[in-house]
Amino acid sequence: GAGVSQSPSNKVTEKGKDVELRCDPISGHTALYWYRQSLGQGLEFLIYFQGNSAPDKSGLPSDRFSAERTGGSVSTLTIQRTQQEDSAVYLCASSLSGHNRDTQYFGPGTRLTVL
Amino acid sequence: AQSVTQLGSHVSVSEGALVLLRCNYSSSVPPYLFWYVQYPNQGLQLLLKYTTGATLVKGINGFEAEFKKSETSFHLTKPSAHMSDAAEYFCAVSVASNTGKLIFGQGTTLQVKP
Repeated sequence: GAGVSQSPSNKVTEKGKDVELRCDPISGHTALYWYRQSLGQGLEFLIYFQGNSAPDKSGLPSDRFSAERTGGSVSTLTIQRTQQEDSAVYLCASSLSGHNRDTQYFGPGTRLTVL
Repeated sequence: AQSVTQLGSHVSVSEGALVLLRCNYSSSVPPYLFWYVQYPNQGLQLLLKYTTGATLVKGINGFEAEFKKSETSFHLTKPSAHMSDAAEYFCAVSVASNTGKLIFGQGTTLQVKP
């Protein structure tokens, strides 16, 4: 079956521009996560969505970062006024219920480069 | 706060040799532990996980890991390395909460020499 998909696979932008990254989770998965993978910081949790509950935004690094999940499925991560330190691979994952024993299935990521 | 430490950012073994990747965790509550593998330009793939029950966990591709509470460790092993095992490996912990968010170690790059 289809896994987690992300688009675009690569994004190059200029400093100060806004970018939107998209994630399509596995059908039927109620939990969705965004992580960031960078050379200096490793893999960091950004945000978590579970059903209709308020998202856990505790990992967002600044108010330039926001995310939404429409209709309990597709999610968009938006970075406003991008900075060079935002350059990283942004990974999306989904799991069946959001319980911490659930396996998270990861997408291939979006590589963001801010010039 | 929970944390994960992976000893050795790079490990090199010969093909056919034992693979041992070390992971220690810190958690004030019973942890759920995961090993993920990442091949170049790909997302993360689950190798194995420990939730409850048997402390020796077997995963895909011949890997296994043992949860040792007294040592707060969850080391990953494979008896005989294959060239296709060359990748980056991440240990992660998910604490007993309702979010399931993962805290990752810094990763270990495994090189397999012919």
